[in-house]
Amino acid sequence: DGGITQSPKYLFRKEGQNVTLSCEQNLNHDAMYWYRQDPGQGLRLIYYSQIVNDFQKGDIAEGYSVSREKKESFPLTVTSAQKNPTAFYLCASSLLAGANGELFFGEGSRLTVL
Amino acid sequence: AQTVTQSQPEMSVQEAETVTLSCTYDTSESDYYLFWYKQPPSRQMILVIRQEAYKQQNATENRFSVNFQKAAKSFSLKISDSQLGDAAMYFCAYRSVMNYGGSQGNLIFGKGTKLSVKP
Repeated sequence: DGGITQSPKYLFRKEGQNVTLSCEQNLNHDAMYWYRQDPGQGLRLIYYSQIVNDFQKGDIAEGYSVSREKKESFPLTVTSAQKNPTAFYLCASSLLAGANGELFFGEGSRLTVL
Repeated sequence: AQTVTQSQPEMSVQEAETVTLSCTYDTSESDYYLFWYKQPPSRQMILVIRQEAYKQQNATENRFSVNFQKAAKSFSLKISDSQLGDAAMYFCAYRSVMNYGGSQGNLIFGKGTKLSVKP
């Protein structure tokens, strides 16, 4: 089945450690996105990428890094510089040109800092 | 910059009744997309309905319909014959059709409305 796979679903991190969240899609979508979700805050954009080897900062990029070496993959690294990393992280993808605008989402990853 | 506002943090409806969730947005653009996404307890985001701004006709998907008022920048979601499975967070979202600095495709979300359905 086509879709977006995020792993792990749950992740615990000690303060000062970097962690990487995986996001893979087999929808042949051009664009991929990372959103952070906090209670009462809705979804906020961290990073996005429209093409391989290119990505742009979103509204809350500080303390995060990404790479886009393959069209199918868009991993997110939460670095020790992120002051409050405990949150729910959602990866999404979409077509671009001629698209109807819909984003397809993964099931999310819950990161907890101990 | 565009913004999306959902003024109802929580709503409740009786099973089989109708409920309307509100959404307003701010933009200077004339063409754009609007969406309602549902996030059940499983946390998977599911597209409920989509509206294209240049289409005057309100979108409908089975029991879900929208009231799109472009001049008022309002985009409400009506759920008819509410079912227990409709209980979820509902997010309104905006997408520009323009590509500012490569931003085409980004969705701007409201903060959500938590809908409870009473049996």
